[in-house]
Amino acid sequence: AQSVSQHNHHVILSEAASLELGCNYSYGGTVNLFWYVQYPGQHLQLLLKYFSGDPLVKGIKGFEAEFIKSKFSFNLRKPSVQWSDTAEYFCAVNAGNTDKLIFGTGTRLQVFP
Amino acid sequence: GAVVSQHPSRVICKSGTSVKIECRSLDFQATTMFWYRQFPKKSLMLMATSNEGSKATYEQGVEKDKFLINHASLTLSTLTVTSAHPEDSSFYICSAEISYGAISVEQFFGPGTRLTVL
Repeated sequence: AQSVSQHNHHVILSEAASLELGCNYSYGGTVNLFWYVQYPGQHLQLLLKYFSGDPLVKGIKGFEAEFIKSKFSFNLRKPSVQWSDTAEYFCAVNAGNTDKLIFGTGTRLQVFP
Repeated sequence: GAVVSQHPSRVICKSGTSVKIECRSLDFQATTMFWYRQFPKKSLMLMATSNEGSKATYEQGVEKDKFLINHASLTLSTLTVTSAHPEDSSFYICSAEISYGAISVEQFFGPGTRLTVL
């Protein structure tokens, strides 16, 4: 069965620090990859997505993610975080032959001024 | 564009009653919608896939007679929690799908409904 792993459960950073959140998935075929953010009290919003093409994907709010097929990874990065980035981040995958999204367990990011 | 709404945003009900949650795609049509359940500090768990004009497809372990899903139009899916019990208290989130091609789909999420069963 497909699965998605997010190894960082809780990350605490100071403003201006760099961020990298890990995401690994288990599926050998074509995949679509997503990172969603859930700010406190708000609904899930799409940060970025990868369908095909350039494996380095740029999203909103300065986030980017790199798809490394050989490592089954899609790590999220931001060079300099802000207090407003405090939120829960979810990686999600769907295999190319299905509509279902499989979510990782999420990473809680806290950024302190 | 691609806005999904849910109603109500929160509901409190007595044990044994039924609760209906609506999910609407406001500015697009969605053949496929999904219903998720999110536990506190946990990830989203897919409950079922709702297809317009046909029966929903439930994930393993989800009781279809308890969680009734109806997708009567291309912009509306409803989830009815029947004979609710305190263990059904949770955050229910729907999403609606847009397809960009044969294998490229994206889901847009509603704001969620907080259900509390007393």
